[in-house]
Amino acid sequence: ELKVEQNPLFLSMQEGKNYTIYCNYSTTSDRLYWYRQDPGKSLESLFVLLSNGAVKQEGRLMASLDTKARLSTLHITAAVHDLSATYFCAVDPGNQFYFGTGTSLTVIP
Amino acid sequence: ETGVTQSPTHLIKTRGQQVTLRCSSQSGHNTVSWYQQALGQGPQFIFQYYREEENGRGNFPPRFSGLQFPNYSSELNVNALELDDSALYLCASSLSPSLNEQFFGPGTRLTVL
Repeated sequence: ELKVEQNPLFLSMQEGKNYTIYCNYSTTSDRLYWYRQDPGKSLESLFVLLSNGAVKQEGRLMASLDTKARLSTLHITAAVHDLSATYFCAVDPGNQFYFGTGTSLTVIP
Repeated sequence: ETGVTQSPTHLIKTRGQQVTLRCSSQSGHNTVSWYQQALGQGPQFIFQYYREEENGRGNFPPRFSGLQFPNYSSELNVNALELDDSALYLCASSLSPSLNEQFFGPGTRLTVL
């Protein structure tokens, strides 16, 4: 059974601090996606990583992909309150997405 | 460019009833996927439609069925509703099954009483 695990599940961090969310998956996949979800809302695409070693940055968020280790990271730099949300990674080994368990991030002023 | 739209926004049904949820894909997208997201969990893949044909199915019973129309809009039908079917149902569209960056609609919140 394909598994996508995120670590940690819950994260509470102070504004201005740095932290990394990890996404491990159990199948071969060259494509990995990060999404943000606010409470009661749909999924907002953050990053699309399409090859080993891919690194993408947008504002205070940076995502990377290591397909050999089956690992992606989402690094948060100098967190601000607006980043509070649930973050999901998803892998696409074929014609469907497998989503991770989600990381609920709370940034405390 | 119009994004992915879904209707209705919210729906309340009772156990045993049937429900139809609707999705309009983003302009130019011919592939639609449906997901169920229970509270506090990640989305679970239900099925995908490509050019009006089912193109993959997750681990959901046959009472979950779908359609895709020539304009690539789609329906999700659920028969014999159960309490556990209460969830946010998300529709996502993409340019094709192989170019699989998916764009999600706002979702339909289904409550089964």
